[in-house]
Amino acid sequence: EAGVAQSPRYKIIEKRQSVAFWCNPISGHATLYWYQQILGQGPKLLIQFQNNGVVDDSQLPKDRFSAERLKGVDSTLKIQPAKLEDSAVYLCASSLVSGFGYTFGSGTRLTVV
Amino acid sequence: AQTVTQSQPEMSVQEAETVTLSCTYDTSENNYYLFWYKQPPSRQMILVIRQEAYKQQNATENRFSVNFQKAAKSFSLKISDSQLGDTAMYFCAFITNQAGTALIFGKGTTLSVSS
Repeated sequence: EAGVAQSPRYKIIEKRQSVAFWCNPISGHATLYWYQQILGQGPKLLIQFQNNGVVDDSQLPKDRFSAERLKGVDSTLKIQPAKLEDSAVYLCASSLVSGFGYTFGSGTRLTVV
Repeated sequence: AQTVTQSQPEMSVQEAETVTLSCTYDTSENNYYLFWYKQPPSRQMILVIRQEAYKQQNATENRFSVNFQKAAKSFSLKISDSQLGDTAMYFCAFITNQAGTALIFGKGTTLSVSS
């Protein structure tokens, strides 16, 4: 079974620039999550999708972050404009049923300079 | 709101020794699940062990076992016969069994195993 694919693996941008991350979940997994993991901390949920609908985006900074999941499969997370404090690893995960059997991708490490 | 607390930022142990990582959590729910995840430098989150709150028996998985104290809301991980490959960051995580919820993580404990 293929895992959760994420790209790019690394990204360096200047502040105020835009960036997008891509996630391809495990086939058939209805639930998709984006987490932000700042260095030395645990992952924090940004947004949760069930198929192509948003279940929880309460911790997503909506003035600069956006996410979509077209056709209930792939997802993209965008930051526009980026700030220094957005430097973090962005993890994507998917699960067959909400909350169980999580599989994580390897993440994208974002550095904002 | 549910919270997960890991009070040990860093731990060190020698090969073949046993180490225990601590985790406490706070919730008003009665039905939930607890997890320990391992994150090596590759950043891949790997599930180590899982505990259902309704089960009194502590979960075990080879060299990994937990001490689940529901009344105290405590969930510690014991690693026996530590190996160099156990070096990683370890996260305690919690989720209720309500539909639409997501994993909540602690801040993590960095474990270093030396020879």
